[in-house]
Amino acid sequence: GQSLEQPSEVTAVEGAIVQINCTYQTSGFYGLSWYQQHDGGAPTFLSYNALDGLEETGRFSSFLSRSDSYGYLLLQELQMKDSASYFCAVRDGSGNTGKLIFGQGTTLQVKP
Amino acid sequence: DAGITQSPRHKVTETGTPVTLRCHQTENHRYMYWYRQDPGHGLRLIHYSYGVKDTDKGEVSDGYSVSRSKTEDFLLTLESATSSQTSVYFCAISEFQQGRLYNSPLHFGNGTRLTVT
Repeated sequence: GQSLEQPSEVTAVEGAIVQINCTYQTSGFYGLSWYQQHDGGAPTFLSYNALDGLEETGRFSSFLSRSDSYGYLLLQELQMKDSASYFCAVRDGSGNTGKLIFGQGTTLQVKP
Repeated sequence: DAGITQSPRHKVTETGTPVTLRCHQTENHRYMYWYRQDPGHGLRLIHYSYGVKDTDKGEVSDGYSVSRSKTEDFLLTLESATSSQTSVYFCAISEFQQGRLYNSPLHFGNGTRLTVT
C-alpha cells in the first residue's frame, strides 16, 4: 500500500520562507504531487515531481528525492493568502490505476 | 476552472436512509473519483472510475457504491447512511493522456457537505 507523512501544522510570518515536508512509502513510485486547499474550498493542483530535483513555479517550488522517499514544498515571500492546507499525494503503487493517495495535510498559518 | 458540478451542495439525512450524490463533468475526462474529507484524515479515496461502467474501490469503500453510466456522470450512493459517513465529499476528474497519465492533475468539484443525524 501507500502512506504519506507530513506535519499537521506550520506557522510562519508574512514575507518569510516555509518548507512543508512529505515522506512517502509506496510499492511503486509514479511521482509526487502537491495540492492547496483554502478553508471551505476545493483542493487545487500546485505542482508535480516525477524526477529528482527542484521544480519552480513562481513563489512555490517543489523538491523530490526518490532515494530518500522524500519531498517538500517550498513557499517563498509568504503572503496572507497562502494560509491554507497543503497536501502531498502519490499515485497508486501499480501506477496504472489513476488512483491518487493523499497525505493528511499540513495547515499553514501565515501571520502578519 | 474545470467544469465539475456536485449536487447537492449540502444535505442532512437520517441514519438508515439511502443517499445519492451526483458529480457531473463537462470536460469529457476519463477518470472520475470520489473522496471524503474529515478532520485529521485528509482526503481519502472512496471509489474511482476509469471509464463508463468501469469502477474500482479506494481506501474507504465500505458502505458506498458508485455507478457511471455516462462519461459525464459519476454517482456515489450510501445505501443506508450512518453517522460515521458525515463528511465533506469531493468529486474529482482527471484527463488521461497517453504517456502522461502519471502527470495528470486532479480537478476537484466544490464538495458536498453531508450530515447524517
